[in-house]
Amino acid sequence: EDKVVQSPLSLVVHEGDTVTLNCSYEVTNFRSLLWYKQEKKAPTFLFMLTSSGIEKKSGRLSSILDKKELFSILNITATQTGDSAVYLCAVGDREGTYKYIFGTGTRLKVLA
Amino acid sequence: GAGVSQSPSNKVTEKGKDVELRCDPISGHTALYWYRQRLGQGLEFLIYFQGNSAPDKSGLPSDRFSAERTGESVSTLTIQRTQQEDSAVYLCASSEGRVQPQHFGDGTRLSIL
Repeated sequence: EDKVVQSPLSLVVHEGDTVTLNCSYEVTNFRSLLWYKQEKKAPTFLFMLTSSGIEKKSGRLSSILDKKELFSILNITATQTGDSAVYLCAVGDREGTYKYIFGTGTRLKVLA
Repeated sequence: GAGVSQSPSNKVTEKGKDVELRCDPISGHTALYWYRQRLGQGLEFLIYFQGNSAPDKSGLPSDRFSAERTGESVSTLTIQRTQQEDSAVYLCASSEGRVQPQHFGDGTRLSIL
């Protein structure tokens, strides 16, 4: 059965710290991996990764994929209180109608 | 529209009643997804529409759940004879195609009394 596992489940840090969030997966035919940030309501799209070893970067956030070891990491440097959210990882496969499987998320809290 | 729009934003109803949730995707997005998110949990796939193809209903938890979409426009998710375990946030997402990132609406928070 396809699955996506995120770790840690929750994390509390202080402003300025760097955090690394993990997403490991098992899917039959990997297509892509997505990272989302969910604050109060709608998840907002962060990154889409399809190839190993190519870092995607947006400001203080960056992400990389390892298709051999079947995981991705999301890094946030110089964290701010506004980074507090649930970070979701989703993996799509090539089977059927290309649906995505979501992990349960990592809840990040950044203290001032 | 500018983003995915869902209505109502909140719905409280009694056990046994039917509910209908609406999703208005981003204009031009051919793919539309429904997810359920229980408190503190991840997103659970329910159903997927892609253009005029047959929908992927593999995530619907029971025959009380159904969804429709006309062409590439509005979709409705219907839950019949609601049960307390149906209480959750129901999120809709759309994308330009099957391999493009999904954009989410704010969801409908459904509470079954």
